[in-house]
Amino acid sequence: DTVLTQSPALAVSPGERVTISCRASESVSTLMHWYQQKPGQQPTLLIYLASNLESGVPARFSGSGSGTDFTLTIDPVEADDTATYYCQQSWNDPWTFGGGTKLELK
Amino acid sequence: EIQLQESGPGLVKPSQSLSLTCSVTGYTITSGYDWSWIRKFPGNKMEWMGYISYSGSTNYNPSLKSRISITRDTSKNQFFLQLNSVTTEDTATYYCAINYPGFSFAYWGQGTLVTVSS
Repeated sequence: DTVLTQSPALAVSPGERVTISCRASESVSTLMHWYQQKPGQQPTLLIYLASNLESGVPARFSGSGSGTDFTLTIDPVEADDTATYYCQQSWNDPWTFGGGTKLELK
Repeated sequence: EIQLQESGPGLVKPSQSLSLTCSVTGYTITSGYDWSWIRKFPGNKMEWMGYISYSGSTNYNPSLKSRISITRDTSKNQFFLQLNSVTTEDTATYYCAINYPGFSFAYWGQGTLVTVSS
């Protein structure tokens, strides 16, 4: 299976720029997607196909990358962005998720 | 707007079968796309379990292939998850979701917690 590796946690101050990384154990082309999940809620799609902003998602969120290295950027970070962020690939079967990055605001 | 809603027992005994229903509104499941089950374990690990396509074909995660079945009732616009021979390691929050766009998951149900315990 394709393993997606994310840093477990990050802490930033409101107004700063934050990058969340996701590294794949093998190429996933650009079939990488990003989700935000808050406690007690279902995940929300932020970015699909590496760099496409889902409808209704603020333009503060952006995605980049291809192959094995991907980044989700939030600029500027707001207090409401406190959440866990997951990457997910759909290039290789079975589809897999990263372990999640917990974003905390200072 | 597409909406999905999971339902089913919240407690299942070890060795029994887990059965969940996903009811879909706002879109007909035979019109297009694939319809997935995903679970999130305690501790945050997430696992895609499998999907049923709009045509009725299925694709399962090989880690579950001997235990999982995804079916549908097109008259009710519902699809179902059955997971056999469950153990405590199957305790998780189970979500249904649509594979859209680009094989991402733009729409999810709210999730249902299933605990496997005697």
